[in-house]
Amino acid sequence: EDQVTQSPEALRLQEGESSSLNCSYTVSGLRGLFWYRQDPGKGPEFLFTLYSAGEEKEKERLKATLTKKESFLHITAPKPEDSATYLCAVQFSPNYGGSQGNLIFGKGTKLSVKP
Amino acid sequence: DGGITQSPKYLFRKEGQNVTLSCEQNLNHDAMYWYRQDPGQGLRLIYYSQIVNDFQKGDIAEGYSVSREKKESFPLTVTSAQKNPTAFYLCASSIAGRYTEAFFGQGTRLTVV
Repeated sequence: EDQVTQSPEALRLQEGESSSLNCSYTVSGLRGLFWYRQDPGKGPEFLFTLYSAGEEKEKERLKATLTKKESFLHITAPKPEDSATYLCAVQFSPNYGGSQGNLIFGKGTKLSVKP
Repeated sequence: DGGITQSPKYLFRKEGQNVTLSCEQNLNHDAMYWYRQDPGQGLRLIYYSQIVNDFQKGDIAEGYSVSREKKESFPLTVTSAQKNPTAFYLCASSIAGRYTEAFFGQGTRLTVV
């Protein structure tokens, strides 16, 4: 059972067409939710950290929000250079087991922005 | 500039050979991680280390080994026991003991030929 699910798997937008990416998680005890951007053949680049429901973070055309069960990455008026795969990762309480609170990643959303 | 350096960027290995991937960081982070990334799958944790001379298995440790002799370095060896080693390998580091973001290197693409 997936603990972190990202949707959609792929998203194609026209330049200037705003949209949102979703990251939902199924396990309680969230300690942190992280968004990364990954370009082809590169390592993930850190974007945002969210810790509690209601929290929001913003950077240029990106805005990340968090509820008790999901996070959204809103992209306003995207440009072609925003094309990338966006990864969501969560950290749970160490008592959850497994890797003691290490990052658990979703499979990502591949965003393509056409001019 | 502070960061994480992985080398080499591309690596080719013959079946039956062990190979070691390098990861060095100058962020003064105590915690370091190795992830594997395959197409259509999320990043999966191989090994992690919270402190020098100590490390733990992640979710897919079979066929891999690590060492942590220095704070700055966390090399990963892909052994011949790893049945499907062709993948993109990512090293990361973070502040230990806190729920903070991890920073990643640029990755090593390993291909078994």
